[in-house]
Amino acid sequence: QSVLTQPPSVSAAAGQKVTISCAGSTSNIGDNSVSWYQQLPGTAPKLLMYDNFKRPSGIPDRFSGSKSGTSATLDITGLQTGDEADYYCGTWDSSLRGMLFGGGTKVTVL
Amino acid sequence: QFRLQESGPGLVKSSETLSLTCAVSGGSISNYYWGWVRQAPGKGLEWIGYISNSGSTNYNPSLKSRVTILRDTSKNQFSLTVSSVTAADTALYYCARVGVLKISNKWFDAWGQGTLVTVSS
Repeated sequence: QSVLTQPPSVSAAAGQKVTISCAGSTSNIGDNSVSWYQQLPGTAPKLLMYDNFKRPSGIPDRFSGSKSGTSATLDITGLQTGDEADYYCGTWDSSLRGMLFGGGTKVTVL
Repeated sequence: QFRLQESGPGLVKSSETLSLTCAVSGGSISNYYWGWVRQAPGKGLEWIGYISNSGSTNYNPSLKSRVTILRDTSKNQFSLTVSSVTAADTALYYCARVGVLKISNKWFDAWGQGTLVTVSS
C-alpha cells in the first residue's frame, strides 16, 4: 500500500474532464512539491507536471496540476482517447528522505 | 535531448546479484542527477535510488542494504546493482534523469524504455 493514495480508476466521456487526486501527509505532499507522470500502455512513464503545476515543454495545457495542504490534483480537460493511461503522482518524503510514488490511477475514456 | 538506454541480463537467479547499466546520450551525465525506478508486473512505480552530480547517492530505505548506484563519467553511463535478489525483485527496471530544484523538490524528466528482469529460482 502506497504512502500516497490515488483512486484506482477514474473515467469520463471524451471531451469531458477528469480529476485525479493524490493524498499524502505533512512529511511528503504537505512539505514538498509534487510531480505527475503518464504511462501509456506498454510504455515508459512520461513527466506531465513538476513543481506542483509546471508543465514540461510539449505537454498540452489540457493537463493542469495543483496542490493544497497534504493533497495534490491533476486535472485533464477535453479528454481524448489517447489520454487512456495510468497516472502517477510523485513527491519527496522528508521523513523517509526519499522519493515516493502514488499507487497509480487508470484513466478510461468512455 | 537526453536519451537513456538500459542494458543487462534479463534473467537472474535467486540469491545472486542483478546488474544493469544505463547508457546516456545527448549530453554529459556529470551535471545531472540520475536514478532508477522499477515496476513489478501489473504494479505501480517504486523509486530505487539516485546518484547526484557530485557522486553522492540516496536509496530507498526498503532496498538500501542491497542496492548500489555508481556512475562512470568517462563512458557517460551509470549502473545499478541489487544483491541477494528474490522473486520480489522481478520487475521492469527504468533508468531516468532526475530534475532537481532543491533537495526536497525532485522529479524524473527523462526515462529509458525499461528492461525486464526476471528472478528465477
